[in-house]
Amino acid sequence: SQKIEQNSEALNIQEGKTATLTCNYTNYSPAYLQWYRQDPGRGPVFLLLIRENEKEKRKERLKVTFDTTLKQSLFHITASQPADSATYLCALDSSSGGSYIPTFGRGTSLIVHP
Amino acid sequence: EPEVTQTPSHQVTQMGQEVILRCVPISNHLYFYWYRQILGQKVEFLVSFYNNEISEKSEIFDDQFSVERPDGSNFTLKIRSTKLEDSAMYFCASSASTDTQYFGPGTRLTVL
Repeated sequence: SQKIEQNSEALNIQEGKTATLTCNYTNYSPAYLQWYRQDPGRGPVFLLLIRENEKEKRKERLKVTFDTTLKQSLFHITASQPADSATYLCALDSSSGGSYIPTFGRGTSLIVHP
Repeated sequence: EPEVTQTPSHQVTQMGQEVILRCVPISNHLYFYWYRQILGQKVEFLVSFYNNEISEKSEIFDDQFSVERPDGSNFTLKIRSTKLEDSAMYFCASSASTDTQYFGPGTRLTVL
């Protein structure tokens, strides 16, 4: 069966350090993978999209890697700040054909301590 | 910056009642979606809508659910006869293409 796995344990780091979050998947061949941020009681906010033919994508302090051989994406936040504390979700495109059916992981909670 | 809006922010209803959740997508977007998130669980896809018809739906989206775009701006999710297990946050999203989606703030549905 298809699975998306994100570390269910919260990641605690000190301000200024790099946070690295992992998304592993099985039995998918996604055309792309997305990372979202979700704050408590709020909707997910899109951060980055990386396509299957891209190894790495950057946006400001964010970096995403995508290894289709390992079936893994890593999400990095450099120079982390307490304001980065949130739950980070990865989402895969699990559709076939032209339409898009996104499947989300359960998310990993990041807590950045001042 | 344009945003997806949803109303109401919180809806309380009795089991068996019909509810309609409303969304105003970003104005130039063509693809519309509904998701739900049960407390503490992951975000789950319900349905996608394009060109005035459903393009994809999940197993959750059974005959109790329907979607409509009654005019040029609103996008609604109707649950005909609510069950206790329908209690969740319901998120609307829209996108200009089939990848990046912009989510609304959600409607918290509580079924008593």
